[in-house]
Amino acid sequence: DSGVTQTPKHLITATGQRVTLRCSPRSGDLSVYWYQQSLDQGLQFLIQYYNGEERAKGNILERFSAQQFPDLHSELNLSSLELGDSALYFCASSVIGGGVNTEAFFGQGTRLTVV
Amino acid sequence: DQQVKQNSPSLSVQEGRISILNCDYTNSMFDYFLWYKKYPAEGPTFLISISSIKDKNEDGRFTVFLNKSAKHLSLHIVPSQPGDSAVYFCAASLEGGSQGNLIFGKGTKLSVKP
Repeated sequence: DSGVTQTPKHLITATGQRVTLRCSPRSGDLSVYWYQQSLDQGLQFLIQYYNGEERAKGNILERFSAQQFPDLHSELNLSSLELGDSALYFCASSVIGGGVNTEAFFGQGTRLTVV
Repeated sequence: DQQVKQNSPSLSVQEGRISILNCDYTNSMFDYFLWYKKYPAEGPTFLISISSIKDKNEDGRFTVFLNKSAKHLSLHIVPSQPGDSAVYFCAASLEGGSQGNLIFGKGTKLSVKP
């Protein structure tokens, strides 16, 4: 158990809909990262938040957005869903925002299926 | 355009033998490389890393080798154990080892046969 909690574990929704994925980081971790793993792709970095502020942005679509709340949990919002958005979405957390050997711990992921 | 490539989707090895997982990259600005292991229904877990200023890093049964001129790294597991059966991801960082903002390969599924 990494200490990172993601909910829900599974989500099935229709195209065009909007969903929210939730992540609770490890106790004491200030930084949260979101990754997407599609069927034929490796893990793709989406976005990072550090202590409530956006820190880095990767290959995140404009239909997707995220935020980190004062209690440090984070939500990833996916809207106008398409079939191609079906993937495993991972959240990871780390104590600080970057630097050498900043180990990140991953949650178990949320499997999103868009039908 | 994949910056980190793992060209072998799968690898099967006999217990006790050496497992060698390979990874190639294209961006010479990467300054840190990491290997993650992932079991089914779990998130990836950090295994071992190497700075671009080194050519080898060892941690128990796991050794990572880096060949900067060839833009190639490999993970050696000796001896391989059935519990090592998992998907192994190679990842690269542009931020001095920050393990959050990483560029991952597609993974190699290792099967260690008893």
